[in-house]
Parts: sequence; structure tokens; C-alpha cells
Amino acid sequence: DAGVIQSPRHEVTEMGQEVTLRCKPISGHDYLFWYRQTMMRGLELLIYFNNNVPIDDSGMPEDRFSAKMPNASFSTLKIQPSEPRDSAVYFCASSPGSHTYEQYFGPGTRLTVT
Amino acid sequence: GDSVTQMEGPVTLSEEAFLTINCTYTATGYPSLFWYVQYPGEGLQLLLKATKADDKGSNKGFEATYRKETTSFHLEKGSVQVSDSAVYFCALDDNFGNEKLTFGTGTRLTIIP
Repeated sequence: DAGVIQSPRHEVTEMGQEVTLRCKPISGHDYLFWYRQTMMRGLELLIYFNNNVPIDDSGMPEDRFSAKMPNASFSTLKIQPSEPRDSAVYFCASSPGSHTYEQYFGPGTRLTVT
Repeated sequence: GDSVTQMEGPVTLSEEAFLTINCTYTATGYPSLFWYVQYPGEGLQLLLKATKADDKGSNKGFEATYRKETTSFHLEKGSVQVSDSAVYFCALDDNFGNEKLTFGTGTRLTIIP
């Protein structure tokens, strides 16, 4: 299996632009998680899905952030408009659920907003 | 709510030294406990886990024992290598069925030859 796939790996954009991050989870995994990692705040859970349905989005920082999972093999995290403080590494992770507990992380997208 | 507290980093050790990274937790019920490792430029990956009290998780020479009486899950390795340089995260799952993990802040480990 290819593991969790994220694209792009690096994104540099100007403040005010829309940014879309993409994730393909491991086939057969029922759970998908979006995290943000910064030096100041560490690893933060933004939102997670179960069977394509958002379960908990309490970590989404504000209305500029939105996430979708239109099918079992694809999810997006969108920031519109982007701000310099959104600069971070964004990770997607998936899990088979059923109390196996292990989350499989993608390589991350490093976002820089100038 | 649930929380995980890790020792502050960064930690720098010489090759072949003994490693301990402390982790304590607060949770209701009976959580499962994990150590994840993040190598430079990569995502996190599971290093080891323990799902009940007194269980010992082990992998790649690393060990951690689930101590309910002290609410701890300290990571140890008897002889570290340069390749162990990474960031280590302690985490818990509350076992309430939501599959969410609560992570500690991470401890950066650097091993010098």
C-alpha cells in the first residue's frame, strides 16, 4: 500500500489567496484526520471524519478553514483567504478504526503564506 | 479533559547513552497509550503502544510500560544511535470509541556521534 498521500508537499502563497490541500487515505480506512503542526502550538487536531462524515470540527481555527470528504478516497482542507499565521505543516492521517487505535500519517504539506 | 505531559526538550545525548523520555497522562477511564516518532521531514509513525495497565510496548529497542498507579508511560532505550534522532510524541486514546488521539507536545531528541 502506498500509505497516506498528500499533495502538494510544499505550497507557497500570498496572503489573501485560496489554498487547497489534498489527502488520499489508505484504502479501507474509515477515519480521516487533519492536523496542523507549528513550533508554537505543536500538533493540533483540526477535524476528523468517520465514513466521510465530519465528526468533530472543534479544532478548526475559524471560518476561513473548511474541510470536505466527498468520498472514501479523497479529502480536502481549504483555507480562504489565507493569512501568514496559517503557515504550518498540515498532516492528514487515516485509521481503520474498530479500536485498532493506530493512525497512519501522511508526509505533510508545508504551507508558507507570505 | 484528557491530557498528556511530556518532558521538555530538546534532549541531546551521545551515541550509546541510555534514554528516558518521561510521559504522564490524565484521563478518565482506561486509556490506551502510544509513542509516536517523527523523523525529519516526515509524518508521525507509531513506535509502540500499550492498551492496558502493566502492559509493556516495545519496538526497535525502545520500551515503555503502562503504569496506572503513577499514570505514566515513560519511553526508554538502553543504547541510542544517531539514527534515533527525531521528535517523540506520547499520546493516549480514551477508549470511548471516537478514535481521537490526545498528543503531548513532543520531545526533540538529538544523538551526537
